[in-house]
Amino acid sequence: QVQLQESGPGLVKASETLSLTCSVSGYSIGSGYFWGWIRQPPGKGLQWIASIDHSWTTYYNPSLKSRVTISVDTSNNQFSLNLNAVTAADTAVYYCARDKPSGIFEYWGHGTLVTVSS
Amino acid sequence: EVVLTQSPGTLSLSPGERATLSCRASQSVSSSNLAWYQQKPGQAPRLLIYGASNRATGIPGRFSGSGSGTDFTLTISRLEPEDFAVYSCQQYEKAPLTFGGGTKVESK
Repeated sequence: QVQLQESGPGLVKASETLSLTCSVSGYSIGSGYFWGWIRQPPGKGLQWIASIDHSWTTYYNPSLKSRVTISVDTSNNQFSLNLNAVTAADTAVYYCARDKPSGIFEYWGHGTLVTVSS
Repeated sequence: EVVLTQSPGTLSLSPGERATLSCRASQSVSSSNLAWYQQKPGQAPRLLIYGASNRATGIPGRFSGSGSGTDFTLTISRLEPEDFAVYSCQQYEKAPLTFGGGTKVESK
């Protein structure tokens, strides 16, 4: 059974960098599929942030592209998200997920709340 | 980007009733590249439907999806107590991937 678990600071200061890691178990991320990050501001809808495929090609939401980096660490079976120059608008629950593929998110982590403080 | 508008915002129904949720796209989603997710408070979304009408693994038969082009529907034939949740649609036809704002199905 594929399982994903997000980790990282729950509080980030405005203008700094938000860094999250997704640890994957039950599947080797280098074996295939796409891996992505999605976020959900409190009380709002879901927003896709970025994905990376098994060839390590990256895909970004244009609205966040200038501030986002997604990367993979195959040795630890993890992938990561860096979002720089954060503001209060970046406060959200951040989810990592495995793409079915084609943009269908079949497996999700539990999510981690990141609050940006001023 | 493709904007997905879901209606109604909230649906108040009783167990055993039929729920019909709508998702309208600002542009045609050809090849029916549309998915539906269920989300309960404090939980991650759960994939219900993909390809507009294909149930994901383990999803009960009371959930069905239909539609094409710009209009899609999720139907729950008979609501079970565990079905009260927020439902979101998502298109994966065009980048960037986008989600609707969600419909909350609440117990009347």
